[in-house]
Amino acid sequence: GQQLNQSPQSMFIQEGEDVSMNCTSSSIFNTWLWYKQDPGEGPVLLIALYKAGELTSNGRLTAQFGITRKDSFLNISASIPSDVGIYFCAGPNTGNQFYFGTGTSLTVIP
Amino acid sequence: KAGVTQTPRYLIKTRGQQVTLSCSPISGHRSVSWYQQTPGQGLQFLFEYFSETQRNKGNFPGRFSGRQFSNSRSEMNVSTLELGDSALYLCASSLGQAEPLHFGNGTRLTVT
Repeated sequence: GQQLNQSPQSMFIQEGEDVSMNCTSSSIFNTWLWYKQDPGEGPVLLIALYKAGELTSNGRLTAQFGITRKDSFLNISASIPSDVGIYFCAGPNTGNQFYFGTGTSLTVIP
Repeated sequence: KAGVTQTPRYLIKTRGQQVTLSCSPISGHRSVSWYQQTPGQGLQFLFEYFSETQRNKGNFPGRFSGRQFSNSRSEMNVSTLELGDSALYLCASSLGQAEPLHFGNGTRLTVT
């Protein structure tokens, strides 16, 4: 099946630092989604991207839809302890099946 | 608006048994998808239902089945449970094709 490669796999940062992570695909996507998952809960939608080159913000989060349509990026500015969790990228095939990245685990050190 | 509701939250079963998981989507969402999440395989697509019809199916054995009711609520059934079926089963609803998925908090299934 489709593979979405996310990097880095894990990050340990100091509170207040900025974070960058990315997701690459072997195929083109027309939609990119970013989710955050806390322990024991389901993934929560952070940002949805629909157009190549699109840059969308949600508070301290900014995501970009790569121009090749095979990648996407998520940035978190001025990290805080509640940013801790696992971040996933996702994209759909034509059949509404979503493929998910392997996840980036974020730890914020106060 | 209420989110996606999954019941039960936790389930412990023994090998060979069967299990039924339930999902109530966000009001107005007609598409319901099921995903299996494990540490080794990540999030894997099981199937998607729209207007009571299975529209897509992932690469899982026939022991995994589902259905959707006229009120869009969905159930997932796993028969003849195996140890490897232990996972977090997530239900997600959406407005339609390629629309963002909204997940419930999942059912944690443990097979002993």
